[in-house]
Amino acid sequence: GNSVTQMEGPVTLSEEAFLTINCTYTATGYPSLFWYVQYPGEGLQLLLKATKADDKGSNKGFEATYRKETTSFHLEKGSVQVSDSAVYFCALSLVGGTASKLTFGTGTRLQVTL
Amino acid sequence: NAGVTQTPKFRILKIGQSMTLQCTQDMNHNYMYWYRQDPGMGLKLIYYSVGAGITDKGEVPNGYNVSRSTTEDFPLRLELAAPSQTSVYFCAASEGGAVNTEAFFGQGTRLTVV
Repeated sequence: GNSVTQMEGPVTLSEEAFLTINCTYTATGYPSLFWYVQYPGEGLQLLLKATKADDKGSNKGFEATYRKETTSFHLEKGSVQVSDSAVYFCALSLVGGTASKLTFGTGTRLQVTL
Repeated sequence: NAGVTQTPKFRILKIGQSMTLQCTQDMNHNYMYWYRQDPGMGLKLIYYSVGAGITDKGEVPNGYNVSRSTTEDFPLRLELAAPSQTSVYFCAASEGGAVNTEAFFGQGTRLTVV
């Protein structure tokens, strides 16, 4: 079946540090890949996405590249801010039945300190 | 612009009780989904709907029922609550069923069954 594996958290970084959150996937077919972010007290919201191999998604200084050869979609940011503290979910989407469905990783909590 | 709204935000149920988790969206999206998130786990799909009057089972449907009488509303019904249903529940909506379509999430309902 389809699955997403992302690095365990929590990840604690100082402000302006470099961030990498690893994500690998297993899928039958050609999925789209997503990073969703959940800020405290809020629902999940889309951070970025990539729909085919070698695509790079980017938003708010975050980037991730769809690597088919390594089945990975690692999230990176060059300089994190305290406001980036949140839980980050990697997910893939494939059509199954009558709709596309998201398969999520377990989430990685990021804590950024001054 | 409300997006996806879930009520209640928190609820404690006794074993054997029933309740309905409400979800409504104002984006006129046809596709709606219910997920549950257990501690340390990714989100699991419970049920989904591709339009009014059409629902289908997801990965973990046992113990739940849904209905979709309007485009806006997609309530999730728990009958005979069990401790295993203690979880955080998220409702989501998307415009289409394609794999690259963004899902919009509600803030979640934290349910405890004691």
